Amino acid sequence: DAGVIQSPRHEVTEMGQEVTLRCKPISGHNSLFWYRQTMMRGLELLIYFNNNVPIDDSGMPEDRFSAKMPNASFSTLKIQPSEPRDSAVYFCASKPGSGNTIYFGEGSWLTVV
Amino acid sequence: AQSVTQLGSHVSVSEGALVLLRCNYSSSVPPYLFWYVQYPNQGLQLLLKYTSAATLVKGINGFEAEFKKSETSFHLTKPSAHMSDAAEYFCAVSSPAGGSNYKLTFGKGTLLTVNP
Repeated sequence: DAGVIQSPRHEVTEMGQEVTLRCKPISGHNSLFWYRQTMMRGLELLIYFNNNVPIDDSGMPEDRFSAKMPNASFSTLKIQPSEPRDSAVYFCASKPGSGNTIYFGEGSWLTVV
Repeated sequence: AQSVTQLGSHVSVSEGALVLLRCNYSSSVPPYLFWYVQYPNQGLQLLLKYTSAATLVKGINGFEAEFKKSETSFHLTKPSAHMSDAAEYFCAVSSPAGGSNYKLTFGKGTLLTVNP
């Protein structure tokens, strides 16, 4: 079975540029999560969706961050404009409706210079 | 509110020695508890989970953890460390258990080093 698929795996961009991270959850899963991992703050939940609807976005750092889930098989996390402090690993994860285990993707390594 | 505290950001053991990674949780409702492992440059993989069944939970790669409500702990152990166990380990708590308003809160992680 394909796991959670994220793209790009690595991105280096200049400050001020728009960054779009993409995620395809595991087929049949109805919850999707975006996490950010940094050395200083560890793993932080940014936002999560249930049945494509954002349930909790309290972890989104500021208005420069936005996330969408237009359908059950695709989600994006966008940063506009990007700043060096956004450099981190961004993980997408998904969960089946009846289960309690969250499955993670391999992550998108973002560097903003 | 829920939270997880992992005692020790870095644990170093010798190959063949006991591994003990500590986790204490805080939750206003009966928790589900998880241990995930992250190998370098990879995502997180589930090691094991406690979901209100047996308090001693066995996971992959010889790891196990015991839920102790009185101590609000969920420590991870392995009798004999292997070089391949070197990784970062995350304890996590969910609240509430299941349902549509579900999210996982992670500890800061413990980096395990295994010395030959």
